Amino acid sequence: QLQLQESGPGLVKPSETLSLTCTVSGGSISSSSYYWGWIRQPPGKGLEWIGSIYYSGSTYYNPSLKSRVTISVDTSKNQFSLKLSSVTAADTAVYYCARAREEIVGAPLDFDYWGQGTLVTVSS
Amino acid sequence: NFMLTQPHSVSESPGKTVTISCTRSSGSIASNYVQWYQQRPGSAPTTVIYEDNQRPSGVPDRFSGSIDSSSNSASLTISGLKTEDEADYYCQSYDSSNPRWVFGGGTKLTVL
Repeated sequence: QLQLQESGPGLVKPSETLSLTCTVSGGSISSSSYYWGWIRQPPGKGLEWIGSIYYSGSTYYNPSLKSRVTISVDTSKNQFSLKLSSVTAADTAVYYCARAREEIVGAPLDFDYWGQGTLVTVSS
Repeated sequence: NFMLTQPHSVSESPGKTVTISCTRSSGSIASNYVQWYQQRPGSAPTTVIYEDNQRPSGVPDRFSGSIDSSSNSASLTISGLKTEDEADYYCQSYDSSNPRWVFGGGTKLTVL
């Protein structure tokens, strides 16, 4: 059974960089036809897609966050990571990592496996 | 860039049927598959419908999905409502013209 687990600081100061890692177990992050993504949810609000990385290494970012986001993969550790720079209080949210599957190239389906989520608070 | 719009909340009684809509703002709803997620408080979302109308294993057949090109919307229908169905529901699609995942704003379902 595939499992994803987010890790990283729960408190980040304004203007600093938020860094989170998602460790994947029960399967290889290099497996073809999968995207690995980050989604966040501010307290009491809806889901917002942050970005995804394809098994090939291609990255896709939410246009509204693109200038501040970097997603990368470490295949040796079976992990992928999120960096979000210049954070403000508006970036306070539960951050989820998740896997999206693909049956037709270029047409990803649902995020079928999710981590439990980690709350990141931006505050001085 | 399209958006997905959902009603903020719906409510219905146990045993009844409820339908949650998800309207695409531009482009055809049939252009890209629509997924539906259920999220209970304090938990990560789980898929209840993928590829417009497919149910993952383990999801009861009380859950069904459809799309309607005339209204450019997708719908999630839950029949035989149970109190355990009370949750937030999100639709999601993929914008292949400008690669990105799009979520609807979510609908809070109350079963009372």
